[in-house]
Amino acid sequence: AQTVTQSQPEMSVQEAETVTLSCTYDTSESDYYLFWYKQPPSRQMILVIRQEAYKQQNATENRFSVNFQKAAKSFSLKISDSQLGDAAMYFCAYRPYTGANSKLTFGKGITLSVRP
Amino acid sequence: GAVVSQHPSWVICKSGTSVKIECRSLDFQATTMFWYRQFPKQSLMLMATSNEGSKATYEQGVEKDKFLINHASLTLSTLTVTSAHPEDSSFYICSARSPPRTYSYEQYFGPGTRLTVT
Repeated sequence: AQTVTQSQPEMSVQEAETVTLSCTYDTSESDYYLFWYKQPPSRQMILVIRQEAYKQQNATENRFSVNFQKAAKSFSLKISDSQLGDAAMYFCAYRPYTGANSKLTFGKGITLSVRP
Repeated sequence: GAVVSQHPSWVICKSGTSVKIECRSLDFQATTMFWYRQFPKQSLMLMATSNEGSKATYEQGVEKDKFLINHASLTLSTLTVTSAHPEDSSFYICSARSPPRTYSYEQYFGPGTRLTVT
């Protein structure tokens, strides 16, 4: 069974600074997706970034980038120039590449606070 | 991006009654829909997966007779909490996924429904 581990329950960052959120996962599959989702106080789940395991290049979306280390099964999220609106709960998630019913497996999440 | 709506966003019901939550994919056809439950400050727990026109597949430990899921069309799935009790109070989130090779085979989340059972 696949597992996703987010070992830090909380982190804090100063506005305009950079923060890295850690995530490790375990799978025997070779093809899969990895995601970071943001859940602000509204509780609407928002996709931040997606990485396909077969791609060696790390995904980036504006201020958000990942460090994907397939061999180490590590998938960290870097937020640059942190903004107050980045304060939220962040979930790392894994999904197998194939299968019509392939399911997302979420980590426990990390609460990120941004200090003004 | 694709939009998933949920209705109601917040509902209070009395113990012993049933409540229905609707999940709609507004601008795409969702062949697969997922229902999650989330407690405060915790992760999403998958309750069941449903495919249009088929019976839902429930995760281990989820009572299928209490949480009735119907995926009657490609744009609508419903979750009915039957004979609700205070311990069913939670935040319920639906998610819809388009078929492979469409919309990047992405999974989109509804805004959630807060259920309070008194």
